[in-house]
Amino acid sequence: EVQLLESGGGLVQPGGSLRLSCAASGFIFRNYVMTWVRQAPGKGLEWVSSIRQSGGDTYYAESVKGRFTISRDNSRATLSLQMDSLRADDTAMYYCAKKGPAADGSQYYDYWGQGALVTVSS
Amino acid sequence: DIQMTQSPSTLSAFIGDRVTITCRASHDIDSWLAWYQQRPGKAPKLLIYKASSLQTGVSSRLSGSGSGTEFTLIINSLQPDDSATYYCQQYHSSPITFGGGTKVEIK
Repeated sequence: EVQLLESGGGLVQPGGSLRLSCAASGFIFRNYVMTWVRQAPGKGLEWVSSIRQSGGDTYYAESVKGRFTISRDNSRATLSLQMDSLRADDTAMYYCAKKGPAADGSQYYDYWGQGALVTVSS
Repeated sequence: DIQMTQSPSTLSAFIGDRVTITCRASHDIDSWLAWYQQRPGKAPKLLIYKASSLQTGVSSRLSGSGSGTEFTLIINSLQPDDSATYYCQQYHSSPITFGGGTKVEIK
């Protein structure tokens, strides 16, 4: 059974940093693109960042570029998101998500974690 | 960026009704579209990918159609369990973008 378990969320002051982790199990982690998607309270879904299988290629939304860093440890089946210079509008539930199995590179997500809540407030 | 517009934003229907949700893309995205269901307090769940392919384990009461810029999610014989918010997502071009969501309520 595929499981994605996020951790590391919490309350942080504006300008602060936080690191999210996502522990994956039930599939061959190193074979899949992994992604972070966030959802502000009462709002819709927003793609944040993705990372290719080897970790060599990373992609970011303009809203987080230069402040967030995605990484992965394939030996530990763990995805991470380092969030620096946090702002109030980064407040959201952050989900890690696994790309679907399609070999054509389709970036839809077939499994999601339960989410980690990040609150940026003074 | 490709903008995804869903309509309606909220709909209310009776058990057993047929429900239709529309998603429009600002540019041609071929069939590179997915649909998700999100129940309150839960993570999104993949329903349909490539516009019309039903994800394994998803009820056959749901179906997706469309290509280009206009897409539809249909829920046949609405059930209490279908009460949720539904999102479309395009994966034709980066950045990946989602629609604003359609909240389905049971009358």
